[in-house]
Amino acid sequence: GENVEQHPSTLSVQEGDSAVIKCTYSDSASNYFPWYKQELGKRPQLIIDIRSNVGEKKDQRIAVTLNKTAKHFSLHITETQPEDSAVYFCAASHGSGGGADGLTFGKGTHLIIQP
Amino acid sequence: DGGITQSPKYLFRKEGQNVTLSCEQNLNHDAMYWYRQDPGQGLRLIYYSQIVNDFQKGDIAEGYSVSREKKESFPLTVTSAQKNPTAFYLCASSISVTLEEKLFFGSGTQLSVL
Repeated sequence: GENVEQHPSTLSVQEGDSAVIKCTYSDSASNYFPWYKQELGKRPQLIIDIRSNVGEKKDQRIAVTLNKTAKHFSLHITETQPEDSAVYFCAASHGSGGGADGLTFGKGTHLIIQP
Repeated sequence: DGGITQSPKYLFRKEGQNVTLSCEQNLNHDAMYWYRQDPGQGLRLIYYSQIVNDFQKGDIAEGYSVSREKKESFPLTVTSAQKNPTAFYLCASSISVTLEEKLFFGSGTQLSVL
């Protein structure tokens, strides 16, 4: 089955700096890659996603890039703010016909924004 | 915020006891899911359901059971066969399973063993 590796497990950056979280996947058939953010004590929420026919997607201060050849994708957060502090999960979809049943999650990255 | 509601927020299980976690959604979503979250382990799929009266095992179904008698409800029972039940349990829903749809999560239930 699919295996998703996520690095680093903890990332501390100064407020205003950029943060990058990287994930690799094993199944070349995976074609959907969402990122979820889980603030302390709250539910995970989708923040951005990308499909395999696109190399990059941006939404204000966050962006995701995908390298299908190398089977890795990354989350980029620019101009970090205190409210960016959270655990971020990447995922890859490998299910037959796609679908959330085929989502495999990474183990998460705890992003800490230092004032 | 509404949408998908889990209860209780905290639950304690005694040795040999079955416990049931509740999950209700009012989003009119066809698909519902149960995930287990352990520290440093990410989210692992226990069971999912595409439609009423149908459900499928996920990656770690052993020791768990589910039912889907109503579209809105997808309760999870942690049986005595689950030897390491202490974890944070998240219920989620999506419009369907067959598309890569956004998952909407509940606020979770923390289960601990007494």
